[in-house]
Amino acid sequence: GQSLEQPSEVTAVEGAIVQINCTYQTSGFYGLSWYQQHDGGAPTFLSYNALDGLEEKGRFSSFLSRSKGYSYLLLKELQMKDSASYLCAVRSSPDNTNAGKSTFGDGTTLTVKP
Amino acid sequence: EAQVTQNPRYLITVTGKKLTVTCSQNMNHEYMSWYRQDPGLGLRQIYYSMNVEVTDKGDVPEGYKVSRKEKRNFPLILESPSPNQTSLYFCASSSYGLAGNYEQYFGPGTRLTVT
Repeated sequence: GQSLEQPSEVTAVEGAIVQINCTYQTSGFYGLSWYQQHDGGAPTFLSYNALDGLEEKGRFSSFLSRSKGYSYLLLKELQMKDSASYLCAVRSSPDNTNAGKSTFGDGTTLTVKP
Repeated sequence: EAQVTQNPRYLITVTGKKLTVTCSQNMNHEYMSWYRQDPGLGLRQIYYSMNVEVTDKGDVPEGYKVSRKEKRNFPLILESPSPNQTSLYFCASSSYGLAGNYEQYFGPGTRLTVT
C-alpha cells in the first residue's frame, strides 16, 4: 500500500520562504509530485521528482530523498496568491501490478500573511 | 486549448437515482482517473484507466462504475447514489509511458449532493 503524511497547516509572511514536508511509505515507488489547489478549485501540477535531489522551477523547488521516504516543497518570495492547499502524490512503478494507482496526501493549507 | 472537461459542474439528486458524470480530454492522453475529495481529506482515487477498455479500481471504488470505450472519454456512473457519495469529484488525465504519468491535468470538478 501507499501512505503519505503532510502537516495540516503552515503559516508564513509575505516575502518569506516556507517549506512543506511530505513523508511517504509505499511499495513500488516511482516518483513524487506536488500539486497546488486553491479553495474550491482543481489541483494544478507544480513539480515532479523521480530521482534524489532538488528540482528548481522559478519560485518553487522540490526535493526528494528516496532512502528516507521524504520530500519537501520550497516556496520562495511568498506572495498572497500562494495561499492554497499543497498536496503531494505518489505513483506506482509502471511495471508494478498497480501501475496506475495514484495516492495523494491530505494536503497542507498554506496561509500567507501580509 | 488543452483541457479536461466535466459535466455537470453541480448536481443535486436523490438517493437511488442513477446518474452519470461525464469526463472528456482533448490531449490524446492514455491515462484517465476519477477522484473524490471530502473536507479535510486529500484526493482519493476511485477508478483509473490506462487505455481504452482497460480500467482498474482505485482505493474507494464501491458504489461506482466506469467505462473507457473511447480514448477521450471516461464517464463515472453511480448506479444507486447514496448520501455518503456526496462529495467533490475530479477527473484527471495524463500521458503514460516510460516516464510515468507524473503530471495529471484535472477537470474543474463536479460537486455532487445526494439527499
